[in-house]
Amino acid sequence: GAVVSQHPSRVICKSGTSVKIECRSLDFQATTMFWYRQFPKQSLMLMATSNEGSKATYEQGVEKDKFLINHASLTLSTLTVTSAHPEDSSFYICSARKSSYNEQFFGPGTRLTVL
Amino acid sequence: QKEVEQNSGPLSVPEGAIASLNCTYSDRGSQSFFWYRQYSGKSPELIMFIYSNGDKEDGRFTAQLNKASQYVSLLIRDSQPSDSATYLCAVEGESGYALNFGKGTSLLVTP
Repeated sequence: GAVVSQHPSRVICKSGTSVKIECRSLDFQATTMFWYRQFPKQSLMLMATSNEGSKATYEQGVEKDKFLINHASLTLSTLTVTSAHPEDSSFYICSARKSSYNEQFFGPGTRLTVL
Repeated sequence: QKEVEQNSGPLSVPEGAIASLNCTYSDRGSQSFFWYRQYSGKSPELIMFIYSNGDKEDGRFTAQLNKASQYVSLLIRDSQPSDSATYLCAVEGESGYALNFGKGTSLLVTP
């Protein structure tokens, strides 16, 4: 199988606080993980590509100082939304690429609400 | 700009019919193509992937790829109400492993 977990599944925070989201591949090693954001009724937008042991590659328009990504091991990547604001409220989804396949397997997502 | 285009729908089909979902892409160098299903409020779930021209069948699902026309489709046979969801087409470019997603087609299977 290929199972990816995310934690937390839902978070509500006050404006100005930082939120950390964890993405774990449970039954395989993922050399590459991806972070997406999805606003209501819109498609997935890739935020960044995270490679184990190296700096993340951010998509154009995504602030790397605001969305901190760490991929410390082959099974864990974290996304920290720093100084969150209401406009950062969204559905954040990670995916992991299995090293021997091209398919990406998605975590269940984290719904962030910033008050 | 690499683009993946899908008709947003909704596509409505009666239960038991064949649902046909279409996708076109702009990057001629794309190598791999994926279909994901996403229920409202949930994350995408991989249905099928296809790399070579032609058809690939898996149960009730058939993916069709035509690289010359830059076109990929998904057929769902014997559609069930539980198939009602948004179907996302995703294309992997030759330069890396990131996927470009279409905006999705909403499918409604009516009993």
